[in-house]
Amino acid sequence: GDSVTQMEGPVTLSEEAFLTINCTYTATGYPSLFWYVQYPGEGLQLLLKATKADDKGSNKGFEATYRKETTSFHLEKGSVQVSDSAVYFCALTSGYQLIWGAGTKLIIKP
Amino acid sequence: EAGVTQFPSHSVIEKGQTVTLRCDPISGHDNLYWYRRVMGKEIKFLLHFVKESKQDESGMPNNRFLAERTGGTYSTLKVQPAELEDSGVYFCASSQEARHSPLHFGNGTRLTVT
Repeated sequence: GDSVTQMEGPVTLSEEAFLTINCTYTATGYPSLFWYVQYPGEGLQLLLKATKADDKGSNKGFEATYRKETTSFHLEKGSVQVSDSAVYFCALTSGYQLIWGAGTKLIIKP
Repeated sequence: EAGVTQFPSHSVIEKGQTVTLRCDPISGHDNLYWYRRVMGKEIKFLLHFVKESKQDESGMPNNRFLAERTGGTYSTLKVQPAELEDSGVYFCASSQEARHSPLHFGNGTRLTVT
């Protein structure tokens, strides 16, 4: 079945560092891909999405490109801030469901 | 607009007891979903309502779990009797359309079964 694999955390970076969180997937068909974020004490929020190959989703300085050839959707940000500390989830659509990765906790130190 | 509301935010119960989680979706959202994250693992789909009807309940783990959405408004998820492995965070989400609308999530209910 469809699945999502993302890098294990926690990932600890200093403020202004470059961020990459890897996400790869296995899917039949052509799923849409998502990154969700959960800030401490809050619910899941959609960060960005891409609906077809080579699409780039972007929001709040984060970017991810739908790479069909490598079945990847890596999340990147050029300069992270303390406020980016959260848990990040990669997900894909499978029918009406979302299939999720295990989540990557990101810790940004000042 | 008010967001998706879940109640309670935390629940601690003993094994064998019953717990009922509630979700109030965004007004006008016909689609309501329940997901669960157990022990820091991946979030998993439980079921999907369209209005008051269960569209897909393939993710419900066993018959100790019962979800309802009477009148197509709020939904409840009852666990009876609760087991230790039911501990986790239960998320509810709603959307206008099933496929193309973004999902709006609640803050989740953290369930601890001791």
